[in-house]
Amino acid sequence: DGGITQSPKYLFRKEGQNVTLSCEQNLNHDAMYWYRQDPGQGLRLIYYSQIVNDFQKGDIAEGYSVSREKKESFPLTVTSAQKNPTAFYLCASSVEPGHYGYTFGSGTRLTVV
Amino acid sequence: KQEVTQIPAALSVPEGENLVLNCSFTDSAIYNLQWFRQDPGKGLTSLLLIQSSQREQTSGRLNASLDKSSGRSTLYIAASQPGDSATYLCTGGAGSYQLTFGKGTKLSVIP
Repeated sequence: DGGITQSPKYLFRKEGQNVTLSCEQNLNHDAMYWYRQDPGQGLRLIYYSQIVNDFQKGDIAEGYSVSREKKESFPLTVTSAQKNPTAFYLCASSVEPGHYGYTFGSGTRLTVV
Repeated sequence: KQEVTQIPAALSVPEGENLVLNCSFTDSAIYNLQWFRQDPGKGLTSLLLIQSSQREQTSGRLNASLDKSSGRSTLYIAASQPGDSATYLCTGGAGSYQLTFGKGTKLSVIP
């Protein structure tokens, strides 16, 4: 079955560490996205990518970095510059924006210890 | 920028009741409206996608409508079940990569 796989499900980060969240899709979608979800808030866009080797900042990109070397993969790195990284991170993909809907992964919960 | 509002923020109903969740958006130039379900600690599961040329979509006990002129969408759940308990989110796609989500309606169906 086609879908989006996020790993790991739970991730713990020590102060000053960089960590990378994985997102893989086998839907042959061109566009991929990373969202952050905090309790009581809506989803906020971190980064998005329209095609391979291209990505754009969303609303809250500071302290995060991404790469898009393959169509199937869009990893997110949470750097030590992100001061409040504890959150639920969701990856999504779409054929193209705004026309055919979005598919989401099951999420990664990141906690700073 | 698109703003999405979902009312009510929380809803508690007895099992078997029919219910309506509301979604309002400010930019009527949307291509589609998508409803999602989110269980605690889980990702978003797509329930229904209404294209701008359509007025409604149905899947089982769920029916979603779209009125672009008024900037509103409703999700109707018939004969609610405890398994329907979750947070329901809506978002409108407008050809932009910057989707805006509402904060959701948290539904509790009491057995």
